[in-house]
Amino acid sequence: GAVVSQHPSWVICKSGTSVKIECRSLDFQATTMFWYRQFPKQSLMLMATSNEGSKATYEQGVEKDKFLINHASLTLSTLTVTSAHPEDSSFYICSARNSAGDSYGYTFGSGTRLTVV
Amino acid sequence: GNSVTQMEGPVTLSEEAFLTINCTYTATGYPSLFWYVQYPGEGLQLLLKATKADDKGSNKGFEATYRKETTSFHLEKGSVQVSDSAVYFCALNQGGSEKLVFGKGMKLTVNP
Repeated sequence: GAVVSQHPSWVICKSGTSVKIECRSLDFQATTMFWYRQFPKQSLMLMATSNEGSKATYEQGVEKDKFLINHASLTLSTLTVTSAHPEDSSFYICSARNSAGDSYGYTFGSGTRLTVV
Repeated sequence: GNSVTQMEGPVTLSEEAFLTINCTYTATGYPSLFWYVQYPGEGLQLLLKATKADDKGSNKGFEATYRKETTSFHLEKGSVQVSDSAVYFCALNQGGSEKLVFGKGMKLTVNP
């Protein structure tokens, strides 16, 4: 079945540094990928939708200059948290939509636990 | 806007107990409804779905029926197993949109 690989699974960084999270679709092409943020005991919050070869669409309230999203190929999207601060600590999850699949072909990565110290 | 409300946990059950996780939604039109499951250390997996009123989704002994009159999509399983321990998310997708709207998730622990 469709597999999405998300890397790293966890990362600890110092305040002020940048962190890049990768999301790869391993056996299918993903024209659309989604980035979510999950706070403890809360729902997944959609941050942005990225489309291959075009700019990402950010949800209201999400700082596009802080959360840089690049979807350079049909199998890779990256999220870069720039100048990270402790309040950016969270669980980030990506999802890819199978461009050849049915309308409900969303496959999720296993998530990245970011801790900013 | 669209939203999903699901019962909050965590919930602990004994093996072979009956499980119900309530989920209600607010949406315009006719959304598609989903249950996703997140096992420890893994990503979300689609458990079941229903795309129109009165549809019943089922998988791995879990069932949920799309009830438009009560705007609900409650998840049920007659006899849970230890391996069902996970976090369960109810979600909807509004027609014409690629976005999934999730509930807060409910952590289930099943003890032997």
